[in-house]
Amino acid sequence: GAVVSQHPSRVICKSGTSVKIECRSLDFQATTMFWYRQFPKKSLMLMATSNEGSKATYEQGVEKDKFLINHASLTLSTLTVTSAHPEDSSFYICSAPLAEHSYNEQFFGPGTRLTVL
Amino acid sequence: QKEVEQDPGPLSVPEGAIVSLNCTYSNSAFQYFMWYRQYSRKGPELLMYTYSSGNKEDGRFTAQVDKSSKYISLFIRDSQPSDSATYLCAMRYSNFGNEKLTFGTGTRLTIIP
Repeated sequence: GAVVSQHPSRVICKSGTSVKIECRSLDFQATTMFWYRQFPKKSLMLMATSNEGSKATYEQGVEKDKFLINHASLTLSTLTVTSAHPEDSSFYICSAPLAEHSYNEQFFGPGTRLTVL
Repeated sequence: QKEVEQDPGPLSVPEGAIVSLNCTYSNSAFQYFMWYRQYSRKGPELLMYTYSSGNKEDGRFTAQVDKSSKYISLFIRDSQPSDSATYLCAMRYSNFGNEKLTFGTGTRLTIIP
């Protein structure tokens, strides 16, 4: 099956620093990628839709200046958590549909565990 | 009221039993229904998806959708310890430009050898 990777898998940082998370589609191109946040025993919450070559679309309540998304190529999207605080600690997961408009078949990355001290 | 409701469990069943996992939803506009499996500290893995009402079978897994009741199910036959994971239902609308998935909270399943 299609593979989506994320890097890093785990990051611990001090409050006030910025953290960049990469999401790559390894064997297919993705014009669209999705960024989710998952809290323990909670559902995946969509944060934003990353669009190659254009601005990301953010869900209601998600601060675009806090969570910067860049989709510079057809295989890479990045999420930067700026000035991270302890409440930003969470599991961040990206996904990509296998083909354009094939949104029922989304492949997820392994996730990035962010801990802000 | 949440758009998608799913019992978080935990659910423990003996190996070989039939497992039934369910979700209910409130928005009748949902048209596509998916089931994902998520192992601990990993990203979700798509098991299967269905469109509108009906059944779909894939090996030991059967997905059912009852749109009249706004109720979807995933059945696992001959359950095995390797099936132990969290199972998330997800659904989306069919209209172009609104492709986001709405997830349930996930049901944590343990198959006891």
